[in-house]
Amino acid sequence: AQKVTQAQTEISVVEKEDVTLDCVYETRDTTYYLFWYKQPPSGELVFLIRRNSFDEQNEISGRYSWNFQKSTSSFNFTITASQVVDSAVYFCALSRSQGGSEKLVFGKGMKLTVNP
Amino acid sequence: EPEVTQTPSHQVTQMGQEVILRCVPISNHLYFYWYRQILGQKVEFLVSFYNNEISEKSEIFDDQFSVERPDGSNFTLKIRSTKLEDSAMYFCASSTNRGRGYNEQFFGPGTRLTVL
Repeated sequence: AQKVTQAQTEISVVEKEDVTLDCVYETRDTTYYLFWYKQPPSGELVFLIRRNSFDEQNEISGRYSWNFQKSTSSFNFTITASQVVDSAVYFCALSRSQGGSEKLVFGKGMKLTVNP
Repeated sequence: EPEVTQTPSHQVTQMGQEVILRCVPISNHLYFYWYRQILGQKVEFLVSFYNNEISEKSEIFDDQFSVERPDGSNFTLKIRSTKLEDSAMYFCASSTNRGRGYNEQFFGPGTRLTVL
């Protein structure tokens, strides 16, 4: 069975602080994909990143960076120099690959509040 | 840029009534999904649909739920007799194909269902 754990439920920071959102996953698949989605107060799901299980290279996109460590089954997300617009709920998700259902299994989400 | 659309954005209904939530997936996509998010909770997979049949469904997707692709563009979720606990945001998603690595699911903006 697949499972995603986001241990933090809520974090509040002051603008310009760095913040790391933790994600730990469980799967028996050797090939899988990991995702981060952002859900702003308006409610839609905004895709941020997808990584496959064979690519452990860390990725940076502007103020966002992701640290994928297969050894610890973690896929953490860091926002550098946070801004008020980063306030949202962030979901980590996991999917199988090849031959199985492509359904996404989401974590419970982490609510980030960035205060001015 | 093509996008998944959903109507209505908000549906209010009385307990026991039937509701139909509508989705228009991206036109060349072949795989369709419904997810549900109870307020303040995680996003949960309901059902996936391909080639005019259900390919996978979750435990949530009981006999009260059904899906249909009545024409070449719409993808609907019907709840036969709504219960209070069906109140949630319902997200539709679509993707191009599966089985050759992951193909991203594009999410619609969601329909908020309120059952009174």
